[in-house]
Amino acid sequence: EVQLVQSGAEVKKPGESLRISCKSSGYRFTAYWITWVRQMPGKGLEWMGRIDPSDSYTNYSPSFQGHVTISADKSITTAYLQWSSLKASDTAMYYCARQTTINSFYFDFWGQGSLVTVSS
Amino acid sequence: SYGLSQPPSVSVSPGQTASISCSGNKLGDKYASWYQQKPGQSPVLVIYEDMKRPSGIPERFSGSNSGNTATLTISGTQVMDEADYYCQAWDSSTAVFGGGTTLTVL
Repeated sequence: EVQLVQSGAEVKKPGESLRISCKSSGYRFTAYWITWVRQMPGKGLEWMGRIDPSDSYTNYSPSFQGHVTISADKSITTAYLQWSSLKASDTAMYYCARQTTINSFYFDFWGQGSLVTVSS
Repeated sequence: SYGLSQPPSVSVSPGQTASISCSGNKLGDKYASWYQQKPGQSPVLVIYEDMKRPSGIPERFSGSNSGNTATLTISGTQVMDEADYYCQAWDSSTAVFGGGTTLTVL
């Protein structure tokens, strides 16, 4: 059974750093990419970027380039999303999803989401 | 940048057919996917490659994509189908989501 299990809710202050995780199981981790999606309170889905766990190649949405870093550790089948300096506007639910890589690219399995709250 | 436009809301009576549109420049030249999101839950893929259904998605969900518009159709809509629906496509290695459509079944 394919599962993506994300780390729990976080409450941080502006300027703090943070890394959230997404643990994959039930499939060959390096055969699919992992994508990250933001959903701000009451808003829609926004694609942030993706990583190929086999070689850690990443590409980011222009909207998020330089603001977050996506990484992965294939030895523990885990992907990460990190911030070096959080802002209040980073308050959102963050989802990881498995991204297919053959023929077309869609997101077939999703994590349960990690709620990040940034407040002074 | 590329944009996908969806109606904010669609209403349908139980048992009727619901259609949700997604418009984008030459969208028909790309693959469209659709995701269902119920309150407090993660998104679920319901249609990929314009018209294919993942395992476990009911046959009442179907999709089409031509010209500038992709359409998600739910035949015999059930109360359990009430949710937000998002279309998605790719443009220059960037995934783009539509703004989402709230489907109300009443």
